[in-house]
Amino acid sequence: DSGVTQTPKHLITATGQRVTLRCSPRSGDLSVYWYQQSLDQGLQFLIQYYNGEERAKGNILERFSAQQFPDLHSELNLSSLELGDSALYFCASSPRAGRVETQYFGPGTRLLVL
Amino acid sequence: KNQVEQSPQSLIILEGKNCTLQCNYTVSPFSNLRWYKQDTGRGPVSLTIMTFSENTKSNGRYTATLDADTKQSSLHITASQLSDSASYICVVSAGGDMRFGAGTRLTVKP
Repeated sequence: DSGVTQTPKHLITATGQRVTLRCSPRSGDLSVYWYQQSLDQGLQFLIQYYNGEERAKGNILERFSAQQFPDLHSELNLSSLELGDSALYFCASSPRAGRVETQYFGPGTRLLVL
Repeated sequence: KNQVEQSPQSLIILEGKNCTLQCNYTVSPFSNLRWYKQDTGRGPVSLTIMTFSENTKSNGRYTATLDADTKQSSLHITASQLSDSASYICVVSAGGDMRFGAGTRLTVKP
């Protein structure tokens, strides 16, 4: 158990809908990362937040957005969902935002868009 | 073409044997290289992190090497165990971005 929690574990929804995925980092960690893992594209980095501020951006679609709240939990919002958005979404956390920080991954949220 | 290429795609070895996984990258400017172990359906677990100035790093039976000149890294697993069966993923960071390899699927058989 990494200490990172993600909810929900599974989510089934329809195309065009909007969902919110939630992540609670390890106690004391200030940095949160979001990743998408699909069968055809593998793991992709989406976005990083550090202490409430956006720190780095990867391959995040405009339909997706994220934020980190004052209590350091983070939410990833996915809107206008498409079939191709079906994937495992991982959150990870690290103590700070340094480039060689160890990232601790949560168990993931499995999203299925029908 | 992916900027991080891993080989082999899959590998089967007998318990107790050693193996080496490869990662070649073209990502630039290089910041650091990470190796992760991922069990099916679970989050990746960090094995090693190396910066430009490091050419080897160990974590128990796992030893990673890095040649920044040739842009190659390897992960050597010693005395494999059944629990080593997993996907091993190489990740190269450039600036604030991260590029992932497709992974090597390792199966350790008794």
